[in-house]
Amino acid sequence: TQLLEQSPQFLSIQEGENLTVYCNSSSVFSSLQWYRQEPGEGPVLLVTVVTGGEVKKLKRLTFQFGDARKDSSLHITAAQPGDTGLYLCAGARSGTYKYIFGTGTRLKVLA
Amino acid sequence: GAGVSQSPSNKVTEKGKDVELRCDPISGHTALYWYRQSLGQGLEFLIYFQGNSAPDKSGLPSDRFSAERTGGSVSTLTIQRTQQEDSAVYLCASSLRPVLLAGGADTQYFGPGTRLTVL
Repeated sequence: TQLLEQSPQFLSIQEGENLTVYCNSSSVFSSLQWYRQEPGEGPVLLVTVVTGGEVKKLKRLTFQFGDARKDSSLHITAAQPGDTGLYLCAGARSGTYKYIFGTGTRLKVLA
Repeated sequence: GAGVSQSPSNKVTEKGKDVELRCDPISGHTALYWYRQSLGQGLEFLIYFQGNSAPDKSGLPSDRFSAERTGGSVSTLTIQRTQQEDSAVYLCASSLRPVLLAGGADTQYFGPGTRLTVL
């Protein structure tokens, strides 16, 4: 059972466009993280959100944690080729030791 | 080095052979995780170490998989009698504190992974 579903799975857009990636679950998470992974490398943490309704901004990236702490979104404004990569969400559930990773969204930004 | 390192970076083996994958976490990090990633998809949790003990082995797919951590530092993941479905990238990550204590808010630092190909 995949606890964290991401959509879309694949996204190919032109430079300058905006996009949103979704991470959804029926389970509640104590915190949720977003990572970006490039080929041949491990994922790199972008942000952690811990409070329901929380919004965090990282330059052109805006992250939101749902009020019920079951879902999250990542919005990129004016995408650039350097944003290309695999975006992963990961959640931690209270009382457990492990992170549950989402199915991933592969983004390609064309110049 | 300052980051998490893994070796080998690539491993090609024949079906039925045993393999050992190594992870050197960031010095001082008490928590260590192993994950498996297939075909650029999401990560599958395998095992978690707190110090030298493994409170959560629930992700190990079969008894052919085992892992140990010595001295609270280096960890090895061993796969016995490898099968073709074991082919994947195996990623190691470490964090200063475990998820349970940090409330899931601590940063996991990932190594570059070991790409395992079983022929």
